[in-house]
Amino acid sequence: GNSVTQMEGPVTLSEEAFLTINCTYTATGYPSLFWYVQYPGEGLQLLLKATKADDKGSNKGFEATYRKETTSFHLEKGSVQVSDSAVYFCALIWAGNMLTFGGGTRLMVKP
Amino acid sequence: DTAVSQTPKYLVTQMGNDKSIKCEQNLGHDTMYWYKQDSKKFLKIMFSYNNKELIINETVPNRFSPKSPDKAHLNLHINSLELGDSAVYFCASSPDSGSGGYTFGSGTRLTVV
Repeated sequence: GNSVTQMEGPVTLSEEAFLTINCTYTATGYPSLFWYVQYPGEGLQLLLKATKADDKGSNKGFEATYRKETTSFHLEKGSVQVSDSAVYFCALIWAGNMLTFGGGTRLMVKP
Repeated sequence: DTAVSQTPKYLVTQMGNDKSIKCEQNLGHDTMYWYKQDSKKFLKIMFSYNNKELIINETVPNRFSPKSPDKAHLNLHINSLELGDSAVYFCASSPDSGSGGYTFGSGTRLTVV
C-alpha cells in the first residue's frame, strides 16, 4: 500500500538557520505529494505540492522537489523564523484515494 | 468567511455516552472527510464521503458513523464512547476525491473521562 515516512522530531533550530525535513514515500504508481503545516491549536493548512517528477513546490520560502529516483520530497527553507514553529506533515495521494499522511515532524525555532 | 467549520471545539464526556460532532463547508466542495489525530499527532483517515460514495477505513470501529444531511455537511456520530476515543478530530473537504488539496477545519478535541 501507499505510505509516507518522515524524520522524527522535534527539530530544534535557531532563527535564520537552514531547515531540512526529510520525507520519503512508498506508492504503487506516481502519486501527487504535499506538505501541510499545523500551527498550535489549528487545523492543517496546505503549504505546497508537486504533482509529477522533478516538480518543485514552493510557498512562503519553503521548497520541496519531487524526486522519483529516490522517492523523496524533502522540505527545505533557507532561513527559518520563530513563526515557522509548527508541526509539518508530508502526504501523498494516488489514483483518487484519500490523502495519506506521514507521522508529522515538530519544528521548534528559538530566537 | 469561506471555510470548513466544526462544532464543538472542545467536548468532554463520560464513557458510554453518545455524542456528535458537526462539520459544515461552504466551499462548494464535493468530498468531505473525517480524520483522527492522536496524542502523538499521527493522523488517521476515518471516512471519505461524497454524494455518490462513502468510503470507510476498515480499522474504524462501527461505533463511529458519518451522517451527511446534504453536500455541505458531514457529521460524525460516536456511540458508546471509550477512553481510547480521546483525540482531536478533524473534518476536511476537497473539490474532488483525487486532488489532495484538502481544506481542514480547526478540530474538535474530544476527551472521554
